[in-house]
Amino acid sequence: LAKTTQPISMDSYEGQEVNITCSHNNIATNDYITWYQQFPSQGPRFIIQGYKTKVTNEVASLFIPADRKSSTLSLPRVSLSDTAVYYCLPPGDTGRRALTFGSGTRLQVQP
Amino acid sequence: DAGVIQSPRHEVTEMGQEVTLRCKPISGHDYLFWYRQTMMRGLELLIYFNNNVPIDDSGMPEDRFSAKMPNASFSTLKIQPSEPRDSAVYFCASSPGYNSPLHFGNGTRLTVT
Repeated sequence: LAKTTQPISMDSYEGQEVNITCSHNNIATNDYITWYQQFPSQGPRFIIQGYKTKVTNEVASLFIPADRKSSTLSLPRVSLSDTAVYYCLPPGDTGRRALTFGSGTRLQVQP
Repeated sequence: DAGVIQSPRHEVTEMGQEVTLRCKPISGHDYLFWYRQTMMRGLELLIYFNNNVPIDDSGMPEDRFSAKMPNASFSTLKIQPSEPRDSAVYFCASSPGYNSPLHFGNGTRLTVT
């Protein structure tokens, strides 16, 4: 099964850009790399997904290098409401859907 | 769209009792997932279904756990008998396709005393 490595926690201040990198050991499939956000007492919520290079939506950007062994979630100008746990979901194993979440990164945004 | 609906939101029960958790996926979603979240073990996939058929139940901890999906709009996760170590937040999620993002419900917080 794919195994991920993310920083356990990060601190930032409002208005700063935050980059969270996730490394994983499985690049064997054509699955997307997906990122989720989780607030206390809620289920994880989809943020962004991509296969290679760069993807951007209204919330974040996702950078994926050519070897696909990692991905970086970029949150521009964070606010207090971005305080949450962020999970990356790496590609699955061959013929097996990517469904194994890592331990996540707890982001604390301060005023 | 109401999203994934789970019930109950909270369940407190005594060891040895049967517990049934319920989930209504988003209409039109072909995949349904059950996860368990604890501080120690994080988010663990228990089982998932595709078109109501169980595809992978390798995460189900033991025979005390069972899951069913009798139709496209309803699934249950049953624990019988329950034990204190089953205490966790249980999430249900659904997705419309193989590579589509998961949509999670707000979970059921289970406490077994």
